[in-house]
Amino acid sequence: DTAVSQTPKYLVTQMGNDKSIKCEQNLGHDTMYWYKQDSKKFLKIMFSYNNKELIINETVPNRFSPKSPDKAHLNLHINSLELGDSAVYFCASSLEDTGPYGYTFGSGTRLTVV
Amino acid sequence: AQSVTQPDIHITVSEGASLELRCNYSYGATPYLFWYVQSPGQGLQLLLKYFSGDTLVQGIKGFEAEFKRSQSSFNLRKPSVHWSDAAEYFCAVGAKEYGNKLVFGAGTILRVKS
Repeated sequence: DTAVSQTPKYLVTQMGNDKSIKCEQNLGHDTMYWYKQDSKKFLKIMFSYNNKELIINETVPNRFSPKSPDKAHLNLHINSLELGDSAVYFCASSLEDTGPYGYTFGSGTRLTVV
Repeated sequence: AQSVTQPDIHITVSEGASLELRCNYSYGATPYLFWYVQSPGQGLQLLLKYFSGDTLVQGIKGFEAEFKRSQSSFNLRKPSVHWSDAAEYFCAVGAKEYGNKLVFGAGTILRVKS
């Protein structure tokens, strides 16, 4: 059983399109995250949800919209894709109020915008 | 602002040799500290973590790290490197005052030569 699963693993699309990435965790965690890893492998937080409530939104363009239908799912929808959106997007989860315990990461979605 | 510095972009060691990867942080609070490993095309796997107690922590795959508050460091070590350790290693820092957000360093790529 995969603890944090993301789909799709690879996504190639044209500029201007709208796409979604899905994430599901079966760990019973309360908090989920989206991180972006750029071409230089730098990881930066985008969003965090705790029990379906948005708690972190890090200066991300409003073309990016997270949605959490329940605490086990956190999806990322991207409108009007741009070349600069090409990156690997990681979903992660953690127990509530447990910064000390770290995250469990998904295997990533490699988005290529052409 | 919180920051994490991994001074070495690349490190090459011979198989069987010892390894130390450096991590320095700047935080205005008592930090939670993590090391993650990322193999090519994979997600991030937690190697070890520190949040209190003994400043020398043991992790998986024979890794250990030492928290030195006076030096704001959390260096990762392994006494004898195996070829399978070749990967990218990320140091990450969080703090209760900043919720569950982790800030990652830029990563260190480890190459192992036989």
